[in-house]
Amino acid sequence: EDKVVQSPLSLVVHEGDTVTLNCSYEVTNFRSLLWYKQEKKAPTFLFMLTSSGIEKKSGRLSSILDKKELFSILNITATQTGDSAIYLCAVETGGSEKLVFGKGTKLTVNP
Amino acid sequence: DTEVTQTPKHLVMGMTNKKSLKCEQHMGHRAMYWYKQKAKKPPELMFVYSYEKLSINESVPSRFSPECPNSSLLNLHLHALQPEDSALYLCASSQDQEAGVRGNIQYFGAGTRLSVL
Repeated sequence: EDKVVQSPLSLVVHEGDTVTLNCSYEVTNFRSLLWYKQEKKAPTFLFMLTSSGIEKKSGRLSSILDKKELFSILNITATQTGDSAIYLCAVETGGSEKLVFGKGTKLTVNP
Repeated sequence: DTEVTQTPKHLVMGMTNKKSLKCEQHMGHRAMYWYKQKAKKPPELMFVYSYEKLSINESVPSRFSPECPNSSLLNLHLHALQPEDSALYLCASSQDQEAGVRGNIQYFGAGTRLSVL
């Protein structure tokens, strides 16, 4: 059975801290790994990773994939209160349109 | 533009009512999805339409009936729902899997918050 595991499930930090969110997976026929940010409603797309070792970066957020060890990390530097959200990791498996989601990491950034 | 529009934003219905959720995208995407999300849980896939044809039904009860009138629209018809069906219903769309694009980003709408009384 395909599985995506995120850790930690919950994290509380102060503004300015750097955080690392983890996502490990066991799936058949890996195609891509996606990170989403979910505040109150719609998950919003952050990154799609398909190749190992290539860092994707957007402002203070960055992410990298290790296909040998089957995990990805999402880094957020100089956190702000607006980064407070649930961060979802999902893996797309080849041959279907399905995304397998992890349970998410709830990040709280306190002022 | 990566917008997926869902209406209504909120819906309260009784167990004997019939209602519909609507989803629209104008990105030329050929795959559209319905997800159900309960509080503090990740989205759970319900249905997938690819090129306006139902390609995946995740054993969803028949009181949920999807419809794809054209490539831009996706409906979810609701009938005789139960209180446990109360949840956030998310629609998403993506480029077609068969397009040869490696990786397939799903873009989500803001969802419909459904309460069944």
